[in-house]
Amino acid sequence: DVKVTQSSRYLVKRTGEKVFLECVQDMDHENMFWYRQDPGLGLRLIYFSYDVKMKEKGDIPEGYSVSREKKERFSLILESASTNQTSMYLCASSFGQANYERYFGPGTRLTVT
Amino acid sequence: SQQGEEDPQALSIQEGENATMNCSYKTSINNLQWYRQNSGRGLVHLILIRSNEREKHSGRLRVTLDTSKKSSSLLITASRAADTASYFCAPIKTSYDKVIFGPGTSLSVIP
Repeated sequence: DVKVTQSSRYLVKRTGEKVFLECVQDMDHENMFWYRQDPGLGLRLIYFSYDVKMKEKGDIPEGYSVSREKKERFSLILESASTNQTSMYLCASSFGQANYERYFGPGTRLTVT
Repeated sequence: SQQGEEDPQALSIQEGENATMNCSYKTSINNLQWYRQNSGRGLVHLILIRSNEREKHSGRLRVTLDTSKKSSSLLITASRAADTASYFCAPIKTSYDKVIFGPGTSLSVIP
């Protein structure tokens, strides 16, 4: 079974802190994605990556950056956390062409105070 | 970006009843996928239907696709309390689609 793990289930950070959210998948998937989920808004795509060291902006990249130094790991970085970044963050991966199904991690609920 | 719009936003049924939820989208697609999310968890892939298919079954799930109306439906038969979750559709147009998930349908199955 594909396994996508995220470094924390719950995280509380202070405004202005630099925050790292880690995602690791164990199925050698080429594609990895970061979404945030807010009530009533569905899942919005922040960044995605189709290969190592490659990244593409999603629809809401402002305030975020990503890093993919190894194929299995995709990190989301909040450069200076703000309260409006309080949200559920979901990582996903998929095989090959992006029209295959996505496998999601359990999510990280981030609270910025 | 490609986004599906699920309808209804919320659905409450008794255990044993069937649940139907719908998805509409705007452009042509390669395939359409349905996902389930239990409260506070990640999404789980349920079923994928290709654009040249009209109906697909998987256990108690039945998915239909009408490309002329740009719509899909997910039917869960003989629902159980464990089916309580949010359900999302994901229309996929190209290999590198920036898929966005809508608010989903929140299904409550009452024991």
